[in-house]
Amino acid sequence: DSGVTQTPKHLITATGQRVTLRCSPRSGDLSVYWYQQSLDQGLQFLIQYYNGEERAKGNILERFSAQQFPDLHSELNLSSLELGDSALYFCASSDPGRRPGYTFGSGTRLTVV
Amino acid sequence: SQQGEEDPQALSIQEGENATMNCSYKTSINNLQWYRQNSGRGLVHLILIRSNEREKHSGRLRVTLDTSKKSSSLLITASRAADTASYFCATDFYSGNTPLVFGKGTRLSVIA
Repeated sequence: DSGVTQTPKHLITATGQRVTLRCSPRSGDLSVYWYQQSLDQGLQFLIQYYNGEERAKGNILERFSAQQFPDLHSELNLSSLELGDSALYFCASSDPGRRPGYTFGSGTRLTVV
Repeated sequence: SQQGEEDPQALSIQEGENATMNCSYKTSINNLQWYRQNSGRGLVHLILIRSNEREKHSGRLRVTLDTSKKSSSLLITASRAADTASYFCATDFYSGNTPLVFGKGTRLSVIA
């Protein structure tokens, strides 16, 4: 167990639907990152939050949004889903003052049918 | 867009052999990190090397960094079947909390 918890582990949904992915960062970590991993695009950075505020934005579609709550957990909302959104979505957290690198969750596998 | 590119894309070796993976990147970095991913699982941080370091060791791992060539290599010595995984390099550009950019990875297969 890495200490980063992602739910659900698997999600199957239809095109046009909306889903919410949840992430609880490692205890004490203020930074949360969302990444999308697909076979053809590799690991793509979506968005970063730090202590409740958006810190950096990557290749995140307008149909996607995220937020970080006061208890530091984060949610990634994906709407108007398309077949191409099928991928593994990872959350990671970090605290550079305590340890190097990111701690990743085990991911949510999203399948859009 | 990818910052780092790993080479080779795939590598197959016998148990006990050494495995070398390379990473090239495009712009100046603050540090470079290597991660391992077992099939379909989350990435695990292996080692971080700062831009002012040239070599770092951790157990059977040896990482080198050549900032003049914008490249890094990861050497796994005396490989084991359990080392079978994908290996990614990741870079960031500034100090502090900025997002890592990952390469597409090298898929390593260690055959027992």
